[in-house]
Amino acid sequence: EAGVTQSPTHLIKTRGQQATLRCSPISGHTSVYWYQQALGLGLQFLLWYDEGEERNRGNFPPRFSGRQFPNYSSELNVNALELEDSALYLCASSTRTGYEQYFGPGTRLTVT
Amino acid sequence: DQQVKQNSPSLSVQEGRISILNCDYTNSMFDYFLWYKKYPAEGPTFLISISSIKDKNEDGRFTVFLNKSAKHLSLHIVPSQPGDSAVYFCAASLYNNNDMRFGAGTRLTVKP
Repeated sequence: EAGVTQSPTHLIKTRGQQATLRCSPISGHTSVYWYQQALGLGLQFLLWYDEGEERNRGNFPPRFSGRQFPNYSSELNVNALELEDSALYLCASSTRTGYEQYFGPGTRLTVT
Repeated sequence: DQQVKQNSPSLSVQEGRISILNCDYTNSMFDYFLWYKKYPAEGPTFLISISSIKDKNEDGRFTVFLNKSAKHLSLHIVPSQPGDSAVYFCAASLYNNNDMRFGAGTRLTVKP
């Protein structure tokens, strides 16, 4: 069974640009979660999508947004990039009622 | 708003001995707790979980203990092996909320 996949592995952008990160969940999972892990910090919850709808979002500004497609894959968009957005962005998936979330390998975003 | 705390950023133990990783939480509404393990350049992998109706859950070398009155949980690894060296994250979730809060992680080093 294929796990959660994320692309790209690394992304380098300059301040003010936009970044788009992609995630494909495990087959059969309808929920997708996005987390930010800044250097030395834990995982900070960003967004939760299920059945194409945004169900919850963490304490992040509106320039962090995303969407979930009919095939349950998801996209995270970060607009007007700031230096402090440099972090590892992790995507996870689960069934709608499952507590266990399964993570992808992450996308390392570097903003210069 | 750090609702889940792992106060020890690092822990070093000898191979064959017990590793005890600790986690505290502040929100008494959390009803499901999980431990994840993370190797460098990989996403976190689910390790073990416990529901708030239990006080202990065991899976092979891994045991999680929950003390609801103290809002404290711990992960015991016995015996510890060098391959257990990783960062361990504690996480807590609300029933049907899918809003999981993570601690900052504890880096475990098991010395041969």
